[in-house]
Amino acid sequence: QQQVKQSPQSLIVQKGGISIINCAYENTAFDYFPWYQQFPGKGPALLIAIRPDVSEKKEGRFTISFNKSAKQFSLHIMDSQPGDSATYFCAASPYTGGFKTIFGAGTRLFVKA
Amino acid sequence: DTEVTQTPKHLVMGMTNKKSLKCEQHMGHRAMYWYKQKAKKPPELMFVYSYEKLSINESVPSRFSPECPNSSLLNLHLHALQPEDSALYLCASSQGAVAGRKTKAKNIQYFGAGTRLSVL
Repeated sequence: QQQVKQSPQSLIVQKGGISIINCAYENTAFDYFPWYQQFPGKGPALLIAIRPDVSEKKEGRFTISFNKSAKQFSLHIMDSQPGDSATYFCAASPYTGGFKTIFGAGTRLFVKA
Repeated sequence: DTEVTQTPKHLVMGMTNKKSLKCEQHMGHRAMYWYKQKAKKPPELMFVYSYEKLSINESVPSRFSPECPNSSLLNLHLHALQPEDSALYLCASSQGAVAGRKTKAKNIQYFGAGTRLSVL
């Protein structure tokens, strides 16, 4: 009930292509779904997040799609760039009143120039 | 400003040494966290402090000792570590519980850059 399943484990995309990472959660009490981007040797940086009251959120080239009934959400990176090469973690947590965040296993993205 | 500052960036220590990791934030957050991250793995929660009080200890061995001197600072004291404790140690903060307010605080966590710890 506490897991967040993330796929794929790794992803190679050509420059200019679309990168898609998928996550599925089990606990319906979660109502906050952030994505973190982590470069080697750095801490995770909050990239974009969504709440279940919307089905899509877009910030620049990054879009989260959310399917509440399927308990799935995904990150789309449009016009992928070599600088996007990093590890991406999806996560789920209560939006308020809690401390624990459940992370997916991570996806290592490599964008070929 | 969403900055969480961690020092040192790198630390090498022997199994008999005592060292400390430090974390600082000036966002007014009242919840602070220590995570451990092994290579190619997600962050793993160790401790949570809320209003300078320890709220969560994820059954962490006693050779790791957290301390929260005030609302902006978080320390992790290390003693008699093992080589398998080598990892990236991350500090994070979030708004935390807001005493006396009806609106609950948001669980949006911001991470520092981490301390890369090597135990020889």
